[in-house]
Amino acid sequence: AQRVTQPEKLLSVFKGAPVELKCNYSYSGSPELFWYVQYSRQRLQLLLRHISRESIKGFTADLNKGETSFHLKKPFAQEEDSAMYYCALRDQGAQKLVFGQGTRLTINP
Amino acid sequence: KAGVTQTPRYLIKTRGQQVTLSCSPISGHRSVSWYQQTPGQGLQFLFEYFSETQRNKGNFPGRFSGRQFSNSRSEMNVSTLELGDSALYLCASSSLPGTGGPEAFFGQGTRLTVV
Repeated sequence: AQRVTQPEKLLSVFKGAPVELKCNYSYSGSPELFWYVQYSRQRLQLLLRHISRESIKGFTADLNKGETSFHLKKPFAQEEDSAMYYCALRDQGAQKLVFGQGTRLTINP
Repeated sequence: KAGVTQTPRYLIKTRGQQVTLSCSPISGHRSVSWYQQTPGQGLQFLFEYFSETQRNKGNFPGRFSGRQFSNSRSEMNVSTLELGDSALYLCASSSLPGTGGPEAFFGQGTRLTVV
């Protein structure tokens, strides 16, 4: 069964500190992994996808197939990073996304 | 270009009633999917449509149904509403489904409250 697990519901760090949001998945096959972000009063939007291997707003995420993980990292947190973050997995050949429960990240000044 | 538009934004219904929610995808997008977002269950997949055909359905009762029109606009319907149907319903569109395909763009959602 496809499943995405984000073990931390809440994460609070100080501005300038490193951030790591954890994501583990279970999937039989080659998954497509994503990180979505929802800022306050805004719609859900794509932050990163593993196939693009790019850094967005200073965030990076590496797909580790051995550990079935796709953790999101940023070396120096900024206050504007405060938001709800969702890790998601996509079925191949479909648009269906399987989401984790989300992690609410709060950056303290 | 305009984003995904969902109407109405807010809705209050009584138990037992039915409701229809609408989603207009980004112009040119032919794939539409629906999600239910609740504090307890998070984001859960409802359906996926492409070119008027339902390609995938989530684990929801038959009271939840949907359709897609030839202009790619989509509607979802919930009949015999229950209190537990209170949620934010999100619609997402993309130009094509599939591996390595384009990202899904989400609408603002329709907040349904069942009383």
